[in-house]
Amino acid sequence: KQEVTQIPAALSVPEGENLVLNCSFTDSAIYNLQWFRQDPGKGLTSLLLIQSSQREQTSGRLNASLDKSSGRSTLYIAASQPGDSATYLCAVGSNDYKLSFGAGTTVTVRA
Amino acid sequence: ETGVTQTPRHLVMGMTNKKSLKCEQHLGHNAMYWYKQSAKKPLELMFVYSLEERVENNSVPSRFSPECPNSSHLFLHLHTLQPEDSALYLCASSQEDRGLDEQFFGPGTRLTVL
Repeated sequence: KQEVTQIPAALSVPEGENLVLNCSFTDSAIYNLQWFRQDPGKGLTSLLLIQSSQREQTSGRLNASLDKSSGRSTLYIAASQPGDSATYLCAVGSNDYKLSFGAGTTVTVRA
Repeated sequence: ETGVTQTPRHLVMGMTNKKSLKCEQHLGHNAMYWYKQSAKKPLELMFVYSLEERVENNSVPSRFSPECPNSSHLFLHLHTLQPEDSALYLCASSQEDRGLDEQFFGPGTRLTVL
């Protein structure tokens, strides 16, 4: 069974600082890995999708890396803004339909 | 309407009530999903439908009954729920299920069982 861990559970940084969010998974036989953002009481917004053959994906200030052999992914958010405050979820896709989610990292960016 | 929509957004029900959650996707996708998100716990996959056929039932109690009449609509029928079923219920869709394409989520229904 795939287990996904996100550390830290919560993070508070001043505006302008770079954010580093970590995700680890136990089974390296993955299909892809997806990072989501969730605002309080809301649904999930997809940020980046990395296929298992890729090492990283970039979108604007966001960069996600994937190291399958070590079972790790890192989401970098450059020059954080108060609007980046949210919970960030990592989800690992296996080839049996399932996305296995981590519990998330709650980020607060202080103005 | 665009994306994935869910109604109602909030629902309060007693343990003897019967209610239904509705999800609609306007993305032309072939796969739809129900997830449960409880406080302080990771999202749990409940059901997966591909081209209106259920392909995954993740050991969900029978008091939750899904229905997928077509590839754009997904329902979750609820009856005789328990207080521990209170959670945020999220619907998602993707182009294909086998390929595990990017999943797009609705805003969720916040369910409270009294």
